[in-house]
Formats: sequence, C-alpha cells, structure tokens
Amino acid sequence: GAVVSQHPSRVICKSGTSVKIECRSLDFQATTMFWYRQFPKKSLMLMATSNEGSKATYEQGVEKDKFLINHASLTLSTLTVTSAHPEDSSFYICSARDVTGKSNQPQHFGDGTRLSIL
Amino acid sequence: GEDVEQSLFLSVREGDSSVINCTYTDSSSTYLYWYKQEPGAGLQLLTYIFSNMDMKQDQRLTVLLNKKDKHLSLRIADTQTGDSAIYFCAEIPGANNLFFGTGTRLTVIP
Repeated sequence: GAVVSQHPSRVICKSGTSVKIECRSLDFQATTMFWYRQFPKKSLMLMATSNEGSKATYEQGVEKDKFLINHASLTLSTLTVTSAHPEDSSFYICSARDVTGKSNQPQHFGDGTRLSIL
Repeated sequence: GEDVEQSLFLSVREGDSSVINCTYTDSSSTYLYWYKQEPGAGLQLLTYIFSNMDMKQDQRLTVLLNKKDKHLSLRIADTQTGDSAIYFCAEIPGANNLFFGTGTRLTVIP
C-alpha cells in the first residue's frame, strides 16, 4: 500500500535552532500534502496544506514565517520550524493523498516527528 | 463549523468486543474514516465507509453508520492487547482535508 516516510522521527535541540522535517511519498505522487500538529493527549490540528509548485495554504493562527513549507516535487514536502522555542515542542505529522485519487480518498500518514526544544 | 466528537477513554478486557463511538455535524462528507495511532507513531488508516452505506465489515472490524443521527461507530471483535491505541474518526466536509475527532484512548486489560 501507499507509504509516506517522515524524517527525522525525533529531534531534540536548543532554543533558537531551525529544524527541517521531510515528508516523502514513496510509491505514489502527491500534489497535495498536509502538515498536522498534535499536542499531548489532543487530536490533530491541521497547520497547512502544501501544494506542489505553489505556496502553502496556512490555517488561521499558524504563523507562515515560523513554519516554512516547501513542496518542490510531487514526492517531497518539507516543514521548517524556524528559530524554534520550547512552545514549538510537539508532535508533527504529515500526510499525503495520491494524485490519482479523488479529493475524498484516504490520506496516508507519516510516522510523525517528535520535536523537543530545550 | 465542523465538529467531530468522541468519548476520550474506553477500557475493555482482552477477548471482549470494543465499541468506539463518534458523532459528527457535517453531513456532506462522502467518506468517513477510522484511524489508529499507537504511542509515538503516526496514524494508520484502519478502514473507511462510504456515506451511502450502513455497515462495513473487515475481519475483526465492523463500522456502523447512522447518517440520520450523524453517528459512526467502530466495533473491534475479540479485542487484543495490541489493539490498545488511540482511535480517531475523521471526515472530509466541504473542505479538501480531514477533520478529526478528539480521539478515543482504548486500553485493553489482559
């Protein structure tokens, strides 16, 4: 089945560091990928929709300059948390939908990245 | 706006059936989904049901959909300790992305 690879799985770094998270679709092409954030014991919150070859669409309340998204190819989207601070510590999950599927087809998720800012 | 609600916790004994419930407000979704999240991991698609179906069975999993009441349930037969996880129901209302419930933490007691 479809596989989405997310890397790294865990990051621990100092405050002020910028962190890049990669999301790859391994056996399908994805014009659209999604980035979610999950707070402890909470549901997922959609941060932004990443569109191949164009600017990402951010949800209300998500800082564009803080969470930089690049979707340079049909199989790769990256999320960069710039100048990360402890309040950015969270579990970040990406997902992708096969470009050949309809808009309401299932999304396939990466395994997530646990970001811890000291 | 969209609202998807689930109870937060469920405990069952190993071998019993588990029923996880979900209610949603937007009736325009074509599909409704169940995802499983194990500790520290991403989400795994368990199953999904087309909105014009009442029931879908897939091995130990049975999904029931009551569209009139906007109620979705996931039944896991013969629950095992490996089923302990958080289960999210999700829908895609008019927008092009998933909207998740709060998640139900299932604990299976040996």
